[in-house]
Amino acid sequence: ETGVTQTPRHLVMGMTNKKSLKCEQHLGHNAMYWYKQSAKKPLELMFVYNFKEQTENNSVPSRFSPECPNSSHLFLHLHTLQPEDSALYLCASSQDRGGDNSGNTIYFGEGSWLTVV
Amino acid sequence: ILNVEQSPQSLHVQEGDSTNFTCSFPSSNFYALHWYRWETAKSPEALFVMTLNGDEKKKGRISATLNTKEGYSYLYIKGSQPEDSATYLCAFAMNTGFQKLVFGTGTRLLVSP
Repeated sequence: ETGVTQTPRHLVMGMTNKKSLKCEQHLGHNAMYWYKQSAKKPLELMFVYNFKEQTENNSVPSRFSPECPNSSHLFLHLHTLQPEDSALYLCASSQDRGGDNSGNTIYFGEGSWLTVV
Repeated sequence: ILNVEQSPQSLHVQEGDSTNFTCSFPSSNFYALHWYRWETAKSPEALFVMTLNGDEKKKGRISATLNTKEGYSYLYIKGSQPEDSATYLCAFAMNTGFQKLVFGTGTRLLVSP
C-alpha cells in the first residue's frame, strides 16, 4: 500500500474507443506523474504535474491527454490508441521540495494494464 | 540521449547467497540516483535515493554505494532470501530536471530456496 491508487487495473479498448485511467494519491504530495512500461523497455516518463500544472510532456502523442484537477488526482484520457500503445501505465507522486538535495523520492501505484485491440 | 545501464539483466542465486548489481549512469549534471524494488503485480518500491558522491545507504540486508564521478552505483544484497526475488531498477535524475527520472531496464533477481 503505497498511498497511490490506480483504476482500473486492467483495461481492454478498441482503437476507436475513448477511455480514461484514474490515479489518486493520499500522501499529500504536490507532484504527480504518468509513466509507461512497454515490453522489454525501461520505465518511460510521460507527463509531470506540479501543483496541478503540467511541467513536463515527454513528447507524448496527443492521443494521450492528461488532466490534473487537483494535487491529489490525475487522469490519463485515451482516444484512438494504437495496438502498440498496449502497455502498463504507472502513476506516481512525490513531494517536490524544489531541489533541496533530498532526492525527491517518488511513490508509484500498481499500474493499469492497457490492451488496445 | 541519456543512457542508464544495469547489469546483469537477470540473476538466479540460492538462498543465503550474497549478490550485487551495477547501475551505470552519466557522470555529468548529476542530481540523484534512485533504486527501486519491483515485485510482480505490485508497485515499484523505493529503496534508496542517493545524492552525494561516496554515499552508502543500508536497509536491512540491502545496501547501496554511489560514485558520481565515474557514474556508477552498486546494490548489494547479503544473505538473499526468496522474498528478495524481484526486479531491481535504478533511475538517474539530472540537476536540470530532477523530477525527470531516467530508468534502466532493471536486474531481475530470482532467489531459490
